[in-house]
Amino acid sequence: NAGVTQTPKFRILKIGQSMTLQCTQDMNHNYMYWYRQDPGMGLKLIYYSVGAGITDKGEVPNGYNVSRSTTEDFPLRLELAAPSQTSVYFCASSYGPTQPQHFGDGTRLSIL
Amino acid sequence: TQLLEQSPQFLSIQEGENLTVYCNSSSVFSSLQWYRQEPGEGPVLLVTVVTGGEVKKLKRLTFQFGDARKDSSLHITAAQPGDTGLYLCAGVALGSGGYNKLIFGAGTRLAVHP
Repeated sequence: NAGVTQTPKFRILKIGQSMTLQCTQDMNHNYMYWYRQDPGMGLKLIYYSVGAGITDKGEVPNGYNVSRSTTEDFPLRLELAAPSQTSVYFCASSYGPTQPQHFGDGTRLSIL
Repeated sequence: TQLLEQSPQFLSIQEGENLTVYCNSSSVFSSLQWYRQEPGEGPVLLVTVVTGGEVKKLKRLTFQFGDARKDSSLHITAAQPGDTGLYLCAGVALGSGGYNKLIFGAGTRLAVHP
C-alpha cells in the first residue's frame, strides 16, 4: 500500500520561478492537507481540502494555490517563488479532521 | 485563533531518565493527537486522547488529556536513544471556511544520549 506519495523529493528553484508539488493518496481519504516545516520547527498548515472541489486556507496560505479535482490528488502550486518559501513541504491525508493523519515523506524545496 | 504551545522546546537527557512534555492552550479541543517525527520523515501518529482526564499508555509513554480538555502531557519513563525525535501535539480547530482542521504545536525536540 503506497499511502501518501509526494513528488519531487528535492527541488531547487530560482526566485520568481513557479512549480507544482504533487501529492497523491490511495486510501480514499476525504481530507488532504499541505504543511510547511521550517528548520527545527513544527508544522504550519498552508491549505487543506475536505473533499474533491472543496479547499480552505490554513495558517500560511499566501504565495500558494491548491486545487482538488479528484479524491486522490491535491497539488500545491507556487506561482512566484521567494526565498521565504524555502522549507520542507509535507502532504497528509485522513478520513476526517479528528482521524489520524497519514503523511508523505516530504519535499525539500530551496529557493535561491 | 486557537494556539497550541509546547514546552520545553528542546530536551537533552541521558538514557534511563524520565521526562515530561507539555501541550497547552487557552482553548478547548474535542481531541488531541500526539505525533513523533524522525529526521527526513513525516510525522507518525502515536495516540489520540478524546475524553477529559483520559490517560493512555503506549509501552513507556504515558499520555494524559487535561480535565478541561485544554492541555495534554506526554511522560516518558526510562528514556531510550530510540525515543529521540520531534514530538508534536495537534488539536482540532474550526477553519475560516467553516470546516474542521488539525493544528499543530511547534514541537519538542528530544535527544536521548547513551
